[in-house]
Amino acid sequence: NAGVTQTPKFQVLKTGQSMTLQCAQDMNHEYMSWYRQDPGMGLRLIHYSVGAGITDQGEVPNGYNVSRSTTEDFPLRLLSAAPSQTSVYFCASSSYGDGYTFGSGTRLTVV
Amino acid sequence: DAKTTQPTSMDCAEGRAANLPCNHSTISGNEYVYWYRQIHSQGPQYIIHGLKNNETNEMASLIITEDRKSSTLILPHATLRDTAVYYCIVRDNTDKLIFGTGTRLQVFP
Repeated sequence: NAGVTQTPKFQVLKTGQSMTLQCAQDMNHEYMSWYRQDPGMGLRLIHYSVGAGITDQGEVPNGYNVSRSTTEDFPLRLLSAAPSQTSVYFCASSSYGDGYTFGSGTRLTVV
Repeated sequence: DAKTTQPTSMDCAEGRAANLPCNHSTISGNEYVYWYRQIHSQGPQYIIHGLKNNETNEMASLIITEDRKSSTLILPHATLRDTAVYYCIVRDNTDKLIFGTGTRLQVFP
């Protein structure tokens, strides 16, 4: 039981490049979310999903796309990276009524 | 926006109980209160949650007032490893978790 797995752990992108942050969970959780955390700040919700095929926007969705084709996977796509997207990204999953389990994060730097 | 208000920081002596307050005066009847903590830059860790009754697990106790407008997380015997940022979150009926700024708890020897 691996929990929530995020890849890569570290990434450096050039402005304008695109990439996908991967998130997978093996707990059969319905709910999955993506957060970003800027230095010294709290977590802000980017996108979330309540089940396969269903996604919705969070607090800061601009510049990011998500899809949920399977229960296990919830990739986050950066369409055209900008320095303002330099952050630590956390993925989390949960069953209804339970606490969310968070991944260990992806540290992204956009130069 | 986060629906909770917490003190920015607190100190606690090692071995003593740490009592972390949270105000959630606009909470609705079916919304749960969740507590998480984040140590350094790790992913947040779930601690405990409750609706209206007090809850206890191996990590902490959660005391929710009768009117549900506030709650207190209790770490009964704080250790240095409990130094972290503690987040109190109201989980709404869409199951979104919206984090606030949390309380930075410093446990000192």
